[in-house]
Amino acid sequence: KAGVTQTPRYLIKTRGQQVTLSCSPISGHRSVSWYQQTPGQGLQFLFEYFSETQRNKGNFPGRFSGRQFSNSRSEMNVSTLELGDSALYLCASSLAAGGANIQYFGAGTRLSVL
Amino acid sequence: AQSVAQPEDQVNVAEGNPLTVKCTYSVSGNPYLFWYVQYPNRGLQFLLKYITGDNLVKGSYGFEAEFNKSQTSFHLKKPSALVSDSALYFCAVRDTDSWGKLQFGAGTQVVVTP
Repeated sequence: KAGVTQTPRYLIKTRGQQVTLSCSPISGHRSVSWYQQTPGQGLQFLFEYFSETQRNKGNFPGRFSGRQFSNSRSEMNVSTLELGDSALYLCASSLAAGGANIQYFGAGTRLSVL
Repeated sequence: AQSVAQPEDQVNVAEGNPLTVKCTYSVSGNPYLFWYVQYPNRGLQFLLKYITGDNLVKGSYGFEAEFNKSQTSFHLKKPSALVSDSALYFCAVRDTDSWGKLQFGAGTQVVVTP
């Protein structure tokens, strides 16, 4: 069974631009979560989607948004990029949300903002 | 609110010696606790989880973790460390009100020397 696939793996953007990251969950998984990983802040929760609905959101500005499609694939978008948005963005999928459900992570998209 | 503390930034151990990575948590209600490992330029790999029941949880690659409710700790252990265990280890907690959101610790870098 294929794992969580994130595309692209690497991105370089300039300040003010916008970016869209894609995540394909493990087949059969309906929950997708996004995390931002930086050396200074560690792993921070962005948002979670289940059945095309955002169920939970972290403390990030409105420039960060996401969506989930009917096939459970998810995208996240960051508008008006800032230097501080440079990070590894990780997507995780699970069969369902919450409880003891295990989140399986993709390899991440490394975003560099210049 | 849920929180996780990993008190050691780095743990150094000689190959063949026991390895322990510490984690304490704070959560309302019963916790779901997880350990993940991250290798360079990779996503997070699931090692093990605690739900309820036995306080000693066995996971992948010879790792186990000991849950202690009175000390609110969930330490990761391996009886005999390998050089290939050198990686970044994360403890994570989820409470019953957070849907899928995982709260991660800051991570502990494990260095196993031959």
